[in-house]
Amino acid sequence: GQQLNQSPQSMFIQEGEDVSMNCTSSSIFNTWLWYKQDPGEGPVLLIALYKAGELTSNGRLTAQFGITRKDSFLNISASIPSDVGIYFCAGQLPNLYSGGGADGLTFGKGTHLIIQP
Amino acid sequence: DTGVSQNPRHKITKRGQNVTFRCDPISEHNRLYWYRQTLGQGPEFLTYFQNEAQLEKSRLLSDRFSAERPKGSFSTLEIQRTEQGDSAMYLCASSRKKTSGRDTQYFGPGTRLTVL
Repeated sequence: GQQLNQSPQSMFIQEGEDVSMNCTSSSIFNTWLWYKQDPGEGPVLLIALYKAGELTSNGRLTAQFGITRKDSFLNISASIPSDVGIYFCAGQLPNLYSGGGADGLTFGKGTHLIIQP
Repeated sequence: DTGVSQNPRHKITKRGQNVTFRCDPISEHNRLYWYRQTLGQGPEFLTYFQNEAQLEKSRLLSDRFSAERPKGSFSTLEIQRTEQGDSAMYLCASSRKKTSGRDTQYFGPGTRLTVL
């Protein structure tokens, strides 16, 4: 199946620092999404990207859909304690590649963000 | 909008028993997805419905897994003859594909299954 390479696996940062994480793929995706997941809960959508080159912000979060459609990054500015959690990138393949309608998302393994006060 | 809801939130069962989970999507979302998430991994896509039609089920993990969405609203995921390896978080997501092609999935809180 398709694989998304998400890095870094984990980040230990000081409160107030900026954070950057990214995802790459060998396949082209037509949608990139970033989710945050807290322990024992489902993923919560942060940002959705639909066009190559698109740069979108949501408060202190900024994400971009790579020009090649094979990568995306997420930046968090001025981190705060509630930013702690696991961040996942997810990609959705174009229907042409989805084997007859499988619009399920392909997820990375996540970036575990830990903030030291 | 009321979000995606899933019941139960936690299920503990003995190996060999059957379990069924329920998902209620966001109202007016015509697409519903099931995922499985094991520890330390991202969610893994299992199957999805558009209205009551199951359009993709080749990713279901084995023939012990089945899903239904009989009236195009809520859905159930059943696992027969559970095995310890089935222990995981089972997530449901819903979406409404727009004419623009945009199709953003929103997840429920998940059902944590533990098979003893």
